[in-house]
Amino acid sequence: SQKIEQNSEALNIQEGKTATLTCNYTNYSPAYLQWYRQDPGRGPVFLLLIRENEKEKRKERLKVTFDTTLKQSLFHITASQPADSATYLCALVLMDSNYQLIWGAGTKLIIKP
Amino acid sequence: DGGITQSPKYLFRKEGQNVTLSCEQNLNHDAMYWYRQDPGQGLRLIYYSQIVNDFQKGDIAEGYSVSREKKESFPLTVTSAQKNPTAFYLCASSVSREGNQPQHFGDGTRLSIL
Repeated sequence: SQKIEQNSEALNIQEGKTATLTCNYTNYSPAYLQWYRQDPGRGPVFLLLIRENEKEKRKERLKVTFDTTLKQSLFHITASQPADSATYLCALVLMDSNYQLIWGAGTKLIIKP
Repeated sequence: DGGITQSPKYLFRKEGQNVTLSCEQNLNHDAMYWYRQDPGQGLRLIYYSQIVNDFQKGDIAEGYSVSREKKESFPLTVTSAQKNPTAFYLCASSVSREGNQPQHFGDGTRLSIL
């Protein structure tokens, strides 16, 4: 069966440390993978996109990796801050399904001062 | 500021009633989407539109209807046929449906049953 999984348990990280979130999938062949941030009661906000032939993408304190062999993407926030606390969603983009996005349920990140 | 506006923020539906959720964008985007978000689940696509006067069903279209008469507007009607409508509804838009385009979201409408 096809699945996309993010850790359902909240991730607690000390301020200043690196937070690493995981997105695993099975039986999909995504052309792209996107990461979004969602705050309570708000809509998701786009952060980063990585293509299937890219290994790594960076934007300021954010880094995304994409391993199509392991079928896994890792999302890193370095020098984490309490303001980074939110739920982070990953989404696979399937080219063979007219670019439909398949969404993970998200991981809640809590950065403690 | 460009963005997507959803209204109302909270909506209550009585049994047998149809309700309409509003979504307006001033980003000049061609593609628009409606998603449903339930606790512990990923976003699920209800309907999408790639261009004015055209829309397609998503994975969970039953009990919902949409229209796209203007580029800026993509209202969603939750009909009485939708038996479990309680959820957080999100509208999004993108420049096009190409896979490398990020989606921009509104701040959602929370629908509950009275």
